[in-house]
Amino acid sequence: GDSVTQMEGPVTLSEEAFLTINCTYTATGYPSLFWYVQYPGEGLQLLLKATKADDKGSNKGFEATYRKETTSFHLEKGSVQVSDSAVYFCALSRAAGNKLTFGGGTRVLVKP
Amino acid sequence: DGGITQSPKYLFRKEGQNVTLSCEQNLNHDAMYWYRQDPGQGLRLIYYSQIVNDFQKGDIAEGYSVSREKKESFPLTVTSAQKNPTAFYLCASSIGDRAHEQYFGPGTRLTVT
Repeated sequence: GDSVTQMEGPVTLSEEAFLTINCTYTATGYPSLFWYVQYPGEGLQLLLKATKADDKGSNKGFEATYRKETTSFHLEKGSVQVSDSAVYFCALSRAAGNKLTFGGGTRVLVKP
Repeated sequence: DGGITQSPKYLFRKEGQNVTLSCEQNLNHDAMYWYRQDPGQGLRLIYYSQIVNDFQKGDIAEGYSVSREKKESFPLTVTSAQKNPTAFYLCASSIGDRAHEQYFGPGTRLTVT
């Protein structure tokens, strides 16, 4: 079945540092890939998405590129802020289905 | 403002009691979902509904029940049969043909003692 694997956290960074969160997936066909963010005490928000190979999703300074050859969708941000402290979830969905398969989440803590 | 409302934010129950969690959306979305979130385990799908009066089991439906009598509402009942009910519960919704883009509510933290 489908699965998503992300690096375990917590990831602790200083403000303005570079952030990378690794995400790899297992799925047949060509799934759509997503990053969701969960701020403390809140639900999840869609951060960015990519629907086909080599697509780059971007939002709020975050980027992720759909790499079919490595089945990866790593999240990056060049200069993090304290407000980026949250839990980040990688997810996939089959194009014709209606289920999201989530990774375990990676907690990121940015210190001033 | 359009969105998804879950209430209450925190809920406490004694073991052996059924409890119902509320989820309401005014986004006119066809599909609605319930997830359970446990620390370090990501989200797991409990039930989902693509249309009024219809719903399907997700990956961990045992011990839970749902109803979808109105498009706007998708309440989840955690029954006494659920062995480990303490968790954070998230409701989501999506447009019917964009079911992979789900919008989430703020969640309900249920504690059963």
